[in-house]
Amino acid sequence: NAGVTQTPKFQVLKTGQSMTLQCAQDMNHEYMSWYRQDPGMGLRLIHYSVGAGITDQGEVPNGYNVSRSTTEDFPLRLLSAAPSQTSVYFCASSSTGVGAGTGNTIYFGEGSWLTVV
Amino acid sequence: GQQVMQIPQYQHVQEGEDFTTYCNSSTTLSNIQWYKQRPGGHPVFLIQLVKSGEVKKQKRLTFQFGEAKKNSSLHITATQTTDVGTYFCPWSDSWGKLQFGAGTQVVVTP
Repeated sequence: NAGVTQTPKFQVLKTGQSMTLQCAQDMNHEYMSWYRQDPGMGLRLIHYSVGAGITDQGEVPNGYNVSRSTTEDFPLRLLSAAPSQTSVYFCASSSTGVGAGTGNTIYFGEGSWLTVV
Repeated sequence: GQQVMQIPQYQHVQEGEDFTTYCNSSTTLSNIQWYKQRPGGHPVFLIQLVKSGEVKKQKRLTFQFGEAKKNSSLHITATQTTDVGTYFCPWSDSWGKLQFGAGTQVVVTP
């Protein structure tokens, strides 16, 4: 059972390039989300999805796009990479209803380290 | 909307000492979860508390849910270097967004 799989693990981009971070889960979870983590900033929510075809913005959505065409996949697209997007990105998934208040465990991918030069 | 604050945000502990970190909610929670992220790793589920006043132990870690279900604590006894990491208690806001916040970063010195 793979859980949540993120690719690539490491990536270096030049300013202005675009790329997609892939996220797939095999647990049939409805809820998926993307976070970025910067030193001292904790985990900040970029975008999330409560099911196929439904996405919404989180705390820091600018510069990122998402789509959810299937339950399993939730890719994160960087449209035109900027040095400020240098960060560690985590994808997470959970059954419908998440976190404190619902009782459903949240599963994370191992992270994608992105550097924009 | 609901928000959970964690204090302290940073904890420097000598190996062998005890310490406690807290999660405080502005509203009543039906349950609370704790996660740990090791340096260079990803957050991993530790435990869930559901009942008012509930206490659960995992070896040297003691988790408690407040009587009013608005706060929770994690107490670590005889801290070891393996306890290094960031501890989170995530929450869902009224729009269903899952928030983690900054967590409590724990640094252990020998």
